[in-house]
Amino acid sequence: DAGVIQSPRHEVTEMGQEVTLRCKPISGHNSLFWYRQTMMRGLELLIYFNNNVPIDDSGMPEDRFSAKMPNASFSTLKIQPSEPRDSAVYFCASSLDTGRNEKLFFGSGTQLSVL
Amino acid sequence: DQQVKQNSPSLSVQEGRISILNCDYTNSMFDYFLWYKKYPAEGPTFLISISSIKDKNEDGRFTVFLNKSAKHLSLHIVPSQPGDSAVYFCAASATGGTSYGKLTFGQGTILTVHP
Repeated sequence: DAGVIQSPRHEVTEMGQEVTLRCKPISGHNSLFWYRQTMMRGLELLIYFNNNVPIDDSGMPEDRFSAKMPNASFSTLKIQPSEPRDSAVYFCASSLDTGRNEKLFFGSGTQLSVL
Repeated sequence: DQQVKQNSPSLSVQEGRISILNCDYTNSMFDYFLWYKKYPAEGPTFLISISSIKDKNEDGRFTVFLNKSAKHLSLHIVPSQPGDSAVYFCAASATGGTSYGKLTFGQGTILTVHP
């Protein structure tokens, strides 16, 4: 399996622009997570889906952030409009939720820089 | 509200010596704990885990200790190798209810092992 695939690897944009991050989870995994990594807070959970349904989006910073999972093999995280404080590494992760503590598998992340 | 805390941002050790990374948590519902390792430009990868019914789990050079009364866990690496240099994240989950494998991470500790 190719693992969790994220695109783009790097994104540089100007303040106010729309940013869309993409994720393809591991085939067969039914839970998908979006995390953001910052120096101060480490890995923060933004939102997660189970069987394509958003379960908890309480970690989404504000209304500028939105996430979708139209099918089992694709998810997007959108920031509109972007701000410099959104600059961070965004990770997507997936797992096979069996209720028995299955591990999360992470993608390589998207390094976002908002100028 | 940081439910999982790694109070040491960095740790430097000599090759061959022991590395001890610490983690504290505040949520009493957490009953499963993991350590992830992250190299630059890569996503975190699973290292070792422990259930709250145990106080120790060992895997080769890596041992995780759990002290439930103190809400504290630690990762021991013996002997440390230069290839262990990475960021180490502590994570926790509450398996009761509908967590769907959601993990709460700490801020991370940068480990540097000098030859």
